[in-house]
Amino acid sequence: DAGVIQSPRHEVTEMGQEVTLRCKPISGHDYLFWYRQTMMRGLELLIYFNNNVPIDDSGMPEDRFSAKMPNASFSTLKIQPSEPRDSAVYFCASSLDAGGTEAFFGQGTRLTVV
Amino acid sequence: GEDVEQSLFLSVREGDSSVINCTYTDSSSTYLYWYKQEPGAGLQLLTYIFSNMDMKQDQRLTVLLNKKDKHLSLRIADTQTGDSAIYFCAERSNTGNQFYFGTGTSLTVIP
Repeated sequence: DAGVIQSPRHEVTEMGQEVTLRCKPISGHDYLFWYRQTMMRGLELLIYFNNNVPIDDSGMPEDRFSAKMPNASFSTLKIQPSEPRDSAVYFCASSLDAGGTEAFFGQGTRLTVV
Repeated sequence: GEDVEQSLFLSVREGDSSVINCTYTDSSSTYLYWYKQEPGAGLQLLTYIFSNMDMKQDQRLTVLLNKKDKHLSLRIADTQTGDSAIYFCAERSNTGNQFYFGTGTSLTVIP
């Protein structure tokens, strides 16, 4: 397996524009996590899915953020409208449903909102 | 969510040992993890420990777990410049299965 695949790797957009980040988890993994990493806040869990169902979205900062997982091999994180304070690295990770297994991370999407 | 705390920075000389510390709050966590993040990359698992263990050794890495104090440490022996990175401690919740990460410790190895 190629691991968790995120696209794009870098995104620069203007304030007010819609941004869509994409993630393909490792095949067979039951859990998918979206994290945001900033210098100020470190690594924050935004939302996670189990078997394509959102379990906890309490980390999503505002209504401008939404995430979907239409099937087991694809998830999106959308920001609409984007703001400069959304600039961060967004990571997607996936995991099996078993206590000892780790979360496998994608390479991240570096988002810059100008 | 659960709190996982780490110091932000650590600087050591090449060849010395590094010790990165972490405290966590969820006493029900059965697995605790150490991840490494190199610049511009995602997080990669270094090692993990099951909560009924108090030590795990893997080559230059030693993980110590004090479950009573909820304290986890990662010791890197003979630290090399290639070990310079950010190290994250994490716990996996027993209730929701999500992973909680610490703030990360930035390790700088001075040649």
